[in-house]
Amino acid sequence: NAGVTQTPKFQVLKTGQSMTLQCAQDMNHEYMSWYRQDPGMGLRLIHYSVGAGITDQGEVPNGYNVSRSTTEDFPLRLLSAAPSQTSVYFCASSYSTLKGLAQTQYFGPGTRLLVL
Amino acid sequence: AQKITQTQPGMFVQEKEAVTLDCTYDTSDPSYGLFWYKQPSSGEMIFLIYQGSYDQQNATEGRYSLNFQKARKSANLVISASQLGDSAMYFCAMEYGNKLVFGAGTILRVKS
Repeated sequence: NAGVTQTPKFQVLKTGQSMTLQCAQDMNHEYMSWYRQDPGMGLRLIHYSVGAGITDQGEVPNGYNVSRSTTEDFPLRLLSAAPSQTSVYFCASSYSTLKGLAQTQYFGPGTRLLVL
Repeated sequence: AQKITQTQPGMFVQEKEAVTLDCTYDTSDPSYGLFWYKQPSSGEMIFLIYQGSYDQQNATEGRYSLNFQKARKSANLVISASQLGDSAMYFCAMEYGNKLVFGAGTILRVKS
């Protein structure tokens, strides 16, 4: 049981380049999400998915695309990287909230992205 | 809108002493969850403790306890018998509909 895995660990991009951050989980969690963490701030939600084929925007979705074709995978795509997207990106997963009961989210190790 | 406030940017505590990290929240939803996560210098997010809005008793997990005061909308984390390995960033977060909103965090340094 690997939990939540993310690749790559580090990435340097030039402005305008595109890339995909990978996220996978083996816990059969319905819910997956992407957060970014900037210095001096907590994590902010980018996009999330409540199941395969269903995605929605979070607090800071601009510049990012997601899709969820399988339960296990939830990739985050940067179509045209900008220096403002320099950040640490975390993927998380959990069971879906059931009857108002919150579910613990488990985080991947993070991807550090630098956009020059 | 949901909001989490952590007013202590940094805290020091002597090894083996207890420390309280403050967290206040704002929401109009009656159903929510409150979480604390630890982020050591290595960067990973480690789940510590959870409190549901309908829970009658304060949550405890080993040396961690959550002082939940619903009327005051506070969910302070208490770490007892601090250890050097407790030095890290600590985030309070509120869950609503599976989404988490985080506070800015508190850096805790444990002194020997």
